Amino acid sequence: GAGVSQTPSNKVTEKGKYVELRCDPISGHTALYWYRQSLGQGPEFLIYFQGTGAADDSGLPNDRFFAVRPEGSVSTLKIQRTERGDSAVYLCASSLMGGATETQYFGPGTRLLVL
Amino acid sequence: SQQGEEDPQALSIQEGENATMNCSYKTSINNLQWYRQNSGRGLVHLILIRSNEREKHSGRLRVTLDTSKKSSSLLITASRAADTASYFCATDLNYQLIWGAGTKLIIKP
Repeated sequence: GAGVSQTPSNKVTEKGKYVELRCDPISGHTALYWYRQSLGQGPEFLIYFQGTGAADDSGLPNDRFFAVRPEGSVSTLKIQRTERGDSAVYLCASSLMGGATETQYFGPGTRLLVL
Repeated sequence: SQQGEEDPQALSIQEGENATMNCSYKTSINNLQWYRQNSGRGLVHLILIRSNEREKHSGRLRVTLDTSKKSSSLLITASRAADTASYFCATDLNYQLIWGAGTKLIIKP
């Protein structure tokens, strides 16, 4: 089917505001990942879902960041009280089962700018 | 934290030439993957090489892995303008991918 999609493609917000970023994985993929990529850097792991549960959220930088995947498909990354340092491209990826040797398929990302 | 480190940071070559990028990493791995990223298409998986493999080919791509030196190389032969992109190596930590900062490749016509 279609690839991983993310909305919005761009989000501009003011410092202190709340934002939600959405990821729609490839249909049938049980594993979903969120990464954050700053300019000139590689992606940085945030959180991994296996089905509906967060199997590893060790990459979330602080408690302002939270992600859900209530039905095991679409996921939402939520950022409270945004700070300028949160500005980055937020990437979502999915894979079939979540194994170490699986290819992760990436969405186009959401470019977040916090003013 | 970033595990891999690509070298060079930037590479500019003429179309038709070969491009070689290197990646070094810090800890033991199960496998190493190479991805390409350009502004039009986002991150695209190129090739995966397992820790017990030494070399792998896919079309114009050739990847080598030396686990004793904790390094990998990506060779793109007969480069094309469409190969202009950033190239990242990523190593696995269970299901997480740990990424380097990438090599920016520019193919001049």
